[in-house]
Amino acid sequence: AQTVTQSQPEMSVQEAETVTLSCTYDTSESDYYLFWYKQPPSRQMILVIRQEAYKQQNATENRFSVNFQKAAKSFSLKISDSQLGDAAMYFCAYRTHNNNDMRFGAGTRLTVKP
Amino acid sequence: NAGVMQNPRHLVRRRGQEARLRCSPMKGHSHVYWYRQLPEEGLKFMVYLQKENIIDESGMPKERFSAEFPKEGPSILRIQQVVRGDSAAYFCASSGPARGTQETQYFGPGTRLLVL
Repeated sequence: AQTVTQSQPEMSVQEAETVTLSCTYDTSESDYYLFWYKQPPSRQMILVIRQEAYKQQNATENRFSVNFQKAAKSFSLKISDSQLGDAAMYFCAYRTHNNNDMRFGAGTRLTVKP
Repeated sequence: NAGVMQNPRHLVRRRGQEARLRCSPMKGHSHVYWYRQLPEEGLKFMVYLQKENIIDESGMPKERFSAEFPKEGPSILRIQQVVRGDSAAYFCASSGPARGTQETQYFGPGTRLLVL
């Protein structure tokens, strides 16, 4: 079974500071994809960043970057220079190349303090 | 460039009524996925469809729930004889057909279903 675990139900960060959200997953597959989605109060699911497992280089999108540790099955999200608009629920998600569905973690609620 | 569209955004039904949720995928996308999100939880996969075909419905409840994606028009998630436990946010996502576009799913704004 493929499961995704987010061990931090809530996190808080000061505006302009850096925060890291944790995610681990369990799989026996070698070809898969990992995602971070953001869900603000509007509840829209917004893709933040994605990582292909076969790529060793960590993905980066502006202030968002990941630390992908394939052997440890860890996929953390780092948000630099946090902004008030970053406040949201963040979901880590996993999908294999062959499976049709994505498996989501339970989410981490991020609060940004001014 | 319209994203994934869902309607209605909010739907209120009484127990025993039917709920119909609609999803139009992004332009050029032919794969549609439905997910359900209960309060304070992550999304749970329900069904994956391509045009006129249900590819994977392993996450669908066995009764009362059905989905379709006709040749013309949006994908429909249908819930018959709704119960209070069906109250949730239902999200639709779409992806492209080819490798390189299929892996990433883009989500619609969701439909919040409330069953009274």
